[in-house]
Amino acid sequence: GAGVSQSPSNKVTEKGKDVELRCDPISGHTALYWYRQRLGQGLEFLIYFQGNSAPDKSGLPSDRFSAERTGESVSTLTIQRTQQEDSAVYLCASSPGLAGPQETQYFGPGTRLLVL
Amino acid sequence: AQSVTQPDIHITVSEGASLELRCNYSYGATPYLFWYVQSPGQGLQLLLKYFSGDTLVQGIKGFEAEFKRSQSSFNLRKPSVHWSDAAEYFCAVGMFSGGYNKLIFGAGTRLAVHP
Repeated sequence: GAGVSQSPSNKVTEKGKDVELRCDPISGHTALYWYRQRLGQGLEFLIYFQGNSAPDKSGLPSDRFSAERTGESVSTLTIQRTQQEDSAVYLCASSPGLAGPQETQYFGPGTRLLVL
Repeated sequence: AQSVTQPDIHITVSEGASLELRCNYSYGATPYLFWYVQSPGQGLQLLLKYFSGDTLVQGIKGFEAEFKRSQSSFNLRKPSVHWSDAAEYFCAVGMFSGGYNKLIFGAGTRLAVHP
């Protein structure tokens, strides 16, 4: 079956512009996660959606970052007034949402964002 | 605070040699432990995970890992490395914190394989 998909695969933008990154999770997965991976570094948690519950936004680095999820499907991560330090790969993952933190997260290929 | 440490940023081995990638975690309760692999230009793929039972866990591609509670470690091993194993490897600990599921990643170990 289809895995997690993300679009665009690459995005180049100018400093100060807004960008939207999209994630399509695996069908039926109620949990969805966004991570940021800066060059040569590990994954940094950004936000977590679980069904209709209030999302865990504790990882968002500033109020320029926001995310939405439509029901239990598509999610959009928005970065307003982009800065050069926002350049990174943004990874989305989903999981069934049934078994807690021992669940495997399934990752998409990521969106590579470059802010000039 | 919960954390995951991968002491080796970069490791180089010869093809056919054995491999051990180190991972130490800091977490007060019983952890859920994962190893993921990221090949160039790819997303992360689960190699194996531990959440209960036998402390020696078998994964895909011939990898295994051993959970040692006394050492707070979950080291990844492979008896004979193949050139296709060149990738970045991430250790992670899963937990339930503040009402939410969380997965905390280490900084990764980049593996290079010499022919």
